[in-house]
Amino acid sequence: GENVEQHPSTLSVQEGDSAVIKCTYSDSASNYFPWYKQELGKRPQLIIDIRSNVGEKKDQRIAVTLNKTAKHFSLHITETQPEDSAVYFCAARETGTASKLTFGTGTRLQVTL
Amino acid sequence: DGGITQSPKYLFRKEGQNVTLSCEQNLNHDAMYWYRQDPGQGLRLIYYSQIVNDFQKGDIAEGYSVSREKKESFPLTVTSAQKNPTAFYLCASSPGQGSQETQYFGPGTRLLVL
Repeated sequence: GENVEQHPSTLSVQEGDSAVIKCTYSDSASNYFPWYKQELGKRPQLIIDIRSNVGEKKDQRIAVTLNKTAKHFSLHITETQPEDSAVYFCAARETGTASKLTFGTGTRLQVTL
Repeated sequence: DGGITQSPKYLFRKEGQNVTLSCEQNLNHDAMYWYRQDPGQGLRLIYYSQIVNDFQKGDIAEGYSVSREKKESFPLTVTSAQKNPTAFYLCASSPGQGSQETQYFGPGTRLLVL
């Protein structure tokens, strides 16, 4: 099955700086890669996703890049704000099993003033 | 994701007891999922169902059981065979059709062992 690795496990940045979280996946046929944000005690919320036919996608301060050859994808948050503090999870969709996602272990992002 | 509800918010289980977690969705989604989340870890898939009356084991199905008798409902039973059930349980659903893979999560149930 699919295996997703996520780094770093914790990340501290100053307000206004950029944050980058990286994930690698093992199944070269995986074709859908969502990112979720989870605040303490809350449900994960989808913040951005990308499909394998696209190399980059941007939504305001958030962007995701995908390198299919290297089998890795990254989340970029620019101009970070305190409300960006949360745990972020990447995931990859396995082929052959409709919508089954494999998640990374999460990155705890802390934005300091 | 406001169309997915889970109950109860907190659940306490005694040794040797089976408990059932409820998950309901009114999004008309075909697919539903159960995940377990432990502190500092990602989401691990317990069971998933792509259609009514059908479900498959995920990565950590031992000690759990599910049913999918209605499209809207996907209850999870934590049996006495699950020796370490303390965790945050999240239910999710997705349209399950073609390229609509986005999963939407419920608010979760925190299960604690007395």
